[in-house]
Parts: sequence; structure tokens; C-alpha cells
Amino acid sequence: EVQLSESGGGLLQPGGSLRLSCAASGFTFSSYAMNWVRQAPGKGLEWVSGISGSGGGTNYADSVKGRFTISRDNTKNILYLQMNSLRVVDTAVYFCAKDGGPELGTHDAFDIWGQGTMVSVSS
Amino acid sequence: DIQMTQSPSSLSASVGDRVTITCRASQTISSYLNWYQQKAGKDPKLLIYAASSLHSGVPSRFSGSGSGTDFTLTISSLQPEDFATYYCQQSYSAPRTFGQGTKVEIK
Repeated sequence: EVQLSESGGGLLQPGGSLRLSCAASGFTFSSYAMNWVRQAPGKGLEWVSGISGSGGGTNYADSVKGRFTISRDNTKNILYLQMNSLRVVDTAVYFCAKDGGPELGTHDAFDIWGQGTMVSVSS
Repeated sequence: DIQMTQSPSSLSASVGDRVTITCRASQTISSYLNWYQQKAGKDPKLLIYAASSLHSGVPSRFSGSGSGTDFTLTISSLQPEDFATYYCQQSYSAPRTFGQGTKVEIK
């Protein structure tokens, strides 16, 4: 069964750092680009970052550029999101989502999503 | 960035009703439009990709249409398990932006 499972969320103060993980199973992880999408409480979906299947290409939403870093370990089938200089507005459930192909910039949909992990930033 | 606008923001309908949700892009996106369903507290599920292609395992009562800037998601006969929030997403260009969502509630 194709599955994604996020972990690493928590409660922290503004300015803090956190690393999220997303463990993948049931598919050839390195063959697919992966993404992080977040959802603030009671709000809609916001794409955060993407990474190609090889890990050689990455992109970011302007709202997190310079603060968040996406990476992946294709030997362990894990996707990461390193979040630094966290702000109150970063409070959200963070989902990892599988892309339809190996590269960024394709026209694919996000066909598999994890259950999400909550990140709360508050003073 | 391409802006996606859904209408309505919410609607009330009864089991068996035909429901239509619209999504408009701020510029042409060809047919690169996807629809997702999200139930409360759960992850989004892909329903429709490339404007009109049904994702594997999705019931045939769901359908999508449109191209260019205007798109629709139709549920031909609403079922109890369809009460949820629906999001459109453009995959024409990065960042792959979402609409604000349409909440379908029980009348």
C-alpha cells in the first residue's frame, strides 16, 4: 500500500527551529518529486516547497524562502523539511504529498498525501 | 502567481442533489486543473486531474470539465460521504496554487 507518514511537529516559540519528516512506503520513492503543503487552522491549503526525485531540484513559496529547507534521503525513503526562524503565521498542519512524476515543474497533481503533523508557533 | 477563485465558498445540499462547484484562474492554465476532497481533520484526496480525468478509485458520480480559465466540478447525485470541503489547484506553473475551498454541507 502506498503510504506517507509525517512526524516531528510540536509547539515552539517564535524564532525557533523544527525538522519535519515524512516516511514513504509502497512506491519507488526516488522516482517521484515530493512536496510539503500546509493548512493553517480553519484555512485553506498552501503549497510550501517541492523537491525533485533525485533531490537535485528544489523550490519554495515566497513566504518561506530563506527560512525553510526541503531535502530527501532516497536510501531511507524519507522527506524532510527543516524550518528555521519560525513565525506565528507558520502555525499549521503540514502535509507531505507525492507528485505524479520525477521532476519539478511538471503538470501533475498530488496523488498521495500523508495525514499531516501539527506545528504550533506561539509566545 | 496564478490566483484561483472558487465559488461558492459554501453550499447546502441534500442527498441525491446535483452539485456544481466552479473554479476560475486569473490567467489561462490550459487543462492543468486538479480537484481534491478534504473531510474534517483528514488529509486531502485527489478526485480529478487534468480538468476531467477521474483519479483511480473515485466514484463516477464525480466529474470535471473546463479549460482555459473556467472549470467545474460536478457531483451528479450527492451521497452522505460527499459532505466535505473541495479545493481546486492549478498545476500549470509554480507555485501550484489552490482555490480557497468550497464547503459542502448537509441541508
